[in-house]
Amino acid sequence: NAGVTQTPKFQVLKTGQSMTLQCAQDMNHNSMYWYRQDPGMGLRLIYYSASEGTTDKGEVPNGYNVSRLNKREFSLRLESAAPSQTSVYFCASSDTPGQGFLSNQPQHFGDGTRLSIL
Amino acid sequence: AQSVTQLGSHVSVSEGALVLLRCNYSSSVPPYLFWYVQYPNQGLQLLLKYTTGATLVKGINGFEAEFKKSETSFHLTKPSAHMSDAAEYFCAVSNFGSSNTGKLIFGQGTTLQVKP
Repeated sequence: NAGVTQTPKFQVLKTGQSMTLQCAQDMNHNSMYWYRQDPGMGLRLIYYSASEGTTDKGEVPNGYNVSRLNKREFSLRLESAAPSQTSVYFCASSDTPGQGFLSNQPQHFGDGTRLSIL
Repeated sequence: AQSVTQLGSHVSVSEGALVLLRCNYSSSVPPYLFWYVQYPNQGLQLLLKYTTGATLVKGINGFEAEFKKSETSFHLTKPSAHMSDAAEYFCAVSNFGSSNTGKLIFGQGTTLQVKP
């Protein structure tokens, strides 16, 4: 069971460089998410995609773009990396019931990409 | 707006002692609640969840949590801590309107240290 796969696992960039973080899930989930995790700040949602073909901003979208390539894949792009974007990035996916007000489905996480920007 | 507060960013217990990690939420509707665990250099894993039914929920690795609506709490407990329980723990609430998005609101996390 692969679950959610993120690549690469580690990356070092220079300020101003661009990069795309890749994420793929094999659980046929509708929704996918990108988070960043920083010490003392928990998880912060960058972007999410509720279904194939749709994307929406989360809590901290500035400096990032996303693409929901198909149902399996959701990529995160840094167009011009800044030191403030040094973080651990997590991709997650979940099924969505589409009924009622709340989802009872948990999110499934990848192992993260550790990104350092010098 | 819904929110989650985890009381105590760091909790330290001795091996064999009771583990209690606190989580309080605010929500305008009865929420769905989750606890996740994150081991070093790994992603988050689901420990347990409360949706409907029994308010005492049992999860993996001997953890359980009780939903108390009157106290707006969902504290995580384990009777006897093991060294392998050392990790970061996150409480999360299902966001209003999440049936179509699956969005969760996460607490800030609590790091559990287990001393030998």
